[in-house]
Amino acid sequence: DSGVTQTPKHLITATGQRVTLRCSPRSGDLSVYWYQQSLDQGLQFLIQYYNGEERAKGNILERFSAQQFPDLHSELNLSSLELGDSALYFCASSGLLSGGPGDEQFFGPGTRLTVL
Amino acid sequence: AQSVTQLDSQVPVFEEAPVELRCNYSSSVSVYLFWYVQYPNQGLQLLLKYLSGSTLVESINGFEAEFNKSQTSFHLRKPSVHISDTAEYFCAVSPQGGSEKLVFGKGTKLTVNP
Repeated sequence: DSGVTQTPKHLITATGQRVTLRCSPRSGDLSVYWYQQSLDQGLQFLIQYYNGEERAKGNILERFSAQQFPDLHSELNLSSLELGDSALYFCASSGLLSGGPGDEQFFGPGTRLTVL
Repeated sequence: AQSVTQLDSQVPVFEEAPVELRCNYSSSVSVYLFWYVQYPNQGLQLLLKYLSGSTLVESINGFEAEFNKSQTSFHLRKPSVHISDTAEYFCAVSPQGGSEKLVFGKGTKLTVNP
């Protein structure tokens, strides 16, 4: 158990809908990362938050947004969903000790999103 | 920008045989290097990492990887695999001096057969 929790585990929805994925980082971790894992694109970095502020952005679509709250949990919002958004979405956290580069990222179990 | 190439998408081996999973990277800046493992229906777990110092790094379960700067490689090896090593292995890099984001390869599925 990595200490990172993600809800829900599975999500099935229809095209055009909006969903929210939730992540609770390890206790004390300040950084939260979101990754998307799909068969064709592999594992791709979406976005990073550090202590409530956006720190880095990757291949995140404009239809997607995220935020990190004062209690450090994070939410990833996906809107106007398309079939191609079906994927496993991972949250990871780091920064318990130093918060610097090279810190281990601890991954949650993921949320499997299926868009029909 | 960074990119990671894992040359083999699938590697089948027999139990107790040696294995090497290959990883090459490309980057305009220095990077940190990682190997993560993903067991079926689970999240990723860090296997080992190279930040600096000795180019040979080891994990607690017998895996090792060697950083080769001239060949921009970070191959993962184990001299004798077990059935329980069956999993998908991901090589990743993180740029030094910037965001801590990880750039992953496509993964190598290691299947250990009895």
